[in-house]
Amino acid sequence: GAGVSQSPSNKVTEKGKDVELRCDPISGHTALYWYRQSLGQGLEFLIYFQGNSAPDKSGLPSDRFSAERTGGSVSTLTIQRTQQEDSAVYLCASTTWAGSQETQYFGPGTRLLVL
Amino acid sequence: AQKVTQAQTEISVVEKEDVTLDCVYETRDTTYYLFWYKQPPSGELVFLIRRNSFDEQNEISGRYSWNFQKSTSSFNFTITASQVVDSAVYFCALSEAIGTYKYIFGTGTRLKVLA
Repeated sequence: GAGVSQSPSNKVTEKGKDVELRCDPISGHTALYWYRQSLGQGLEFLIYFQGNSAPDKSGLPSDRFSAERTGGSVSTLTIQRTQQEDSAVYLCASTTWAGSQETQYFGPGTRLLVL
Repeated sequence: AQKVTQAQTEISVVEKEDVTLDCVYETRDTTYYLFWYKQPPSGELVFLIRRNSFDEQNEISGRYSWNFQKSTSSFNFTITASQVVDSAVYFCALSEAIGTYKYIFGTGTRLKVLA
């Protein structure tokens, strides 16, 4: 498939455990976003990667959240010591540019439930 | 500050009815982009349209049409002759222009099209 893929699709964990969420962007896309979608809410920006530039982490809600992108491709979002309020769908998007216009392509998301 | 408001939380229509989804935005920027995304039950957001702030022409794509009015800071989305497959959550989003990358999403409108 040529789309953005995310794994796992669903994750149930216990409060206090660490989780890792993976995003495989579309090949060749240089920019990658992570968003969080809580029930009934819009998408909340978490972090942005663009090429080799330092990521914009300004949306990460606490220092329990971190993300990295290896080799400019796959990205992992890590949540340490999970809390129940971390339960949400975590969406990844990679982007392509046509001239000055950027289009985001979203993955199916990882649904995280913290018990 | 930037903000996107989708006041309609949920709309139900009967198949073949027309339906308009409202989007009102706030920004201090003179140059910005507006977007609509569709999120079907599968969860993957699908890009529908991008409109830049200098182009107020309405756009029609098949049964979809968009009405952008800077005077009222609105970017409304109309589906003509709705179909069951249109059932989804629709998000409106705002982004600053080139050089920035943060997208502000509305909370979404859930559209249910009944057969």
